[in-house]
Amino acid sequence: DIQMTQSPSSLSASVGDRVTITCRASQDISNYLAWFQQKPGKAPKSLIYAASSLESGVPSKFSGSGSGTEFTLSISSLQPEDFATYYCQQYNSYPLTFGGGTKVEIK
Amino acid sequence: QITLKESGPTLVKPTQTLTLTCTFSGFSLRTRRVGVGWIRQPPGKALEWLALIYWDDDKRYSPSLKSRLSITKDTSKNQVVLTMTNMDPVDTATYYCAHSAVLPPRFDNWGQGTLVTVSS
Repeated sequence: DIQMTQSPSSLSASVGDRVTITCRASQDISNYLAWFQQKPGKAPKSLIYAASSLESGVPSKFSGSGSGTEFTLSISSLQPEDFATYYCQQYNSYPLTFGGGTKVEIK
Repeated sequence: QITLKESGPTLVKPTQTLTLTCTFSGFSLRTRRVGVGWIRQPPGKALEWLALIYWDDDKRYSPSLKSRLSITKDTSKNQVVLTMTNMDPVDTATYYCAHSAVLPPRFDNWGQGTLVTVSS
C-alpha cells in the first residue's frame, strides 16, 4: 500500500495568512494526487486533482503543486470559511489511500 | 448536477451484516469510465477507502477489508450497494459514497454520509 503522510497534522493561522500543507507519498505516484477540504459534520469537498488542477468553482486562492512523492497545498489569504481539515489522497494505484489530515485552526 | 445519498441502518449489532445503499442522480453507471466508491471515516479520524465499482462491473476492494466487503450495482435503479459482514464496534463510522468519472478514479462528488454505530 502507498502511505500518504501529511504535515503538519494541525496548524494555527490568522485571517489573511498564507498557509502551506505538505503531503508525502511512500512511493512515486506521478501526479495522481487529490486534495479535499472537510468541514465539521460535512462530506469532503474536492479542491484539486492531478496535483495542481483546480476543481470547477474552487477559488484560485487554493493551489497545488508537486509530483512523484512530494506535494503541497497552499491557501492564500485565509478567510474564516477556509478553516477546516484538509486531506490528500493518491489515486495512482489500489488501494486508494488518504493522508491523515491537516486541521487548519484560527489563531 | 450530480448528487449521491447514502441510506441504511444507523445502528447495527456486533457480528451483524451492514447493508448500505447509495442512490445517485445526474450520471449513469452505464457510461464508460464512471465508478462509484465507498469511503468511511471513524469519528475524529481520517478517511479510509473501502470499495469501488465501475461501469463495466469491475470491482475493487481495500485489501484489509476485502474478505468482509461486497459491492454491487443496480443500473436501472441508479443504486450501488455495499455490504460489510461481521460488524465490530471499530467499524463505527460515517460511510460516504462518491462518484468518479475518470480513470484512474478520483472522487469529485460525494454524498452527505451516513453514520453507522456498531453496538450491542
